[in-house]
Amino acid sequence: GAVVSQHPSRVICKSGTSVKIECRSLDFQATTMFWYRQFPKKSLMLMATSNEGSKATYEQGVEKDKFLINHASLTLSTLTVTSAHPEDSSFYICTSGGKLSTDTQYFGPGTRLTVL
Amino acid sequence: AQSVTQPDIHITVSEGASLELRCNYSYGATPYLFWYVQSPGQGLQLLLKYFSGDTLVQGIKGFEAEFKRSQSSFNLRKPSVHWSDAAEYFCAVGAHGGYNKLIFGAGTRLAVHP
Repeated sequence: GAVVSQHPSRVICKSGTSVKIECRSLDFQATTMFWYRQFPKKSLMLMATSNEGSKATYEQGVEKDKFLINHASLTLSTLTVTSAHPEDSSFYICTSGGKLSTDTQYFGPGTRLTVL
Repeated sequence: AQSVTQPDIHITVSEGASLELRCNYSYGATPYLFWYVQSPGQGLQLLLKYFSGDTLVQGIKGFEAEFKRSQSSFNLRKPSVHWSDAAEYFCAVGAHGGYNKLIFGAGTRLAVHP
């Protein structure tokens, strides 16, 4: 299956700073990528849909000004956590795959964000 | 609204024993159903999926799952567990309508005793 990478794998930052997480689809041109957030011992929650060449679609309750998503190319989507706070500490996972419900999603290994 | 319930947070089995992980869903129609496995440091890997047709679905690594509409369930099974199966398992439901949005259950952590 397709390979999806994320960088960095883990990051620690100070409160108030911004952090950028990259998601790359290494062998698959993805017009759509998805960003999930996983809390400790909790499930994955869809944050937003990243659309190549257009604005991201955010799920209800997700602050679009806080979690900036850019999908500048068919193989790269970035999630920037702006003005990070300790409550933003989480595991962020991206997926690459088709837009249809029947399309297989390929998950990145995730990025562990810790905000001090 | 769609939802997925995995009643068992943590399960421990002995190596070689059979395994069943429970999953119940709430959805207005026949959903698309998935089981994923997450190992430490690895991305989620698709074990199997159900869209339609035969309600018994075979997946990778010797796993299978059975869709039971009457019980709104999609339980994952394996006849003989290996130590390498220790991981977190997630059941997920996908919406019809051309939009690949997955709703995940809380996950079941599987521990395997030698």
